[in-house]
Amino acid sequence: DAGITQSPRHKVTETGTPVTLRCHQTENHRYMYWYRQDPGHGLRLIHYSYGVKDTDKGEVSDGYSVSRSKTEDFLLTLESATSSQTSVYFCATTGGRNEKLFFGSGTQLSVL
Amino acid sequence: RKEVEQDPGPFNVPEGATVAFNCTYSNSASQSFFWYRQDCRKEPKLLMSVYSSGNEDGRFTAQLNRASQYISLLIRDSKLSDSATYLCVVNINTGGFKTIFGAGTRLFVKA
Repeated sequence: DAGITQSPRHKVTETGTPVTLRCHQTENHRYMYWYRQDPGHGLRLIHYSYGVKDTDKGEVSDGYSVSRSKTEDFLLTLESATSSQTSVYFCATTGGRNEKLFFGSGTQLSVL
Repeated sequence: RKEVEQDPGPFNVPEGATVAFNCTYSNSASQSFFWYRQDCRKEPKLLMSVYSSGNEDGRFTAQLNRASQYISLLIRDSKLSDSATYLCVVNINTGGFKTIFGAGTRLFVKA
């Protein structure tokens, strides 16, 4: 399996608090993605990165920010968590445009 | 309109049946296409890539129609272990290149 590690695996937090999820890869992949998965919606792209310090918004980016200061790490921050951000978050990476995605095991986030 | 749309499902089929999933995409900048499989509470994993000429991998056949912006997946001789959610995936070249997933189609194969 590809070396994609997400942390934490589970988190419970309160509304209004900041939360940071981390994705760490050992594959030296250029592209990294953050998705959220909710029943009835499937995987929706939050933000993605196509290189160090190069990021762009996905379809559900409001309330989220990302940073990529080095190839191996892609951080997702919820600036002020809301209950609507309760979800399962997946990080994914790929080395190239026509290559498959490798996923982390996901982070279950609950915002109370 | 969603960029990638799939049959909503769920599909309930007996073992040995043939089942077909459809997917349409709306962005003409779509460059590459895939089917992923996701088991309950697990991360998605690549099932197969989809090529314009069509491609087959054992019991699975994928087809792409670029003119109609349509992708399909055919599963022959369904097994209990095929029960999962099947995700249609499209890579779109926006300069930055992003990967978009369909909402998925749930398949239940019954004994």
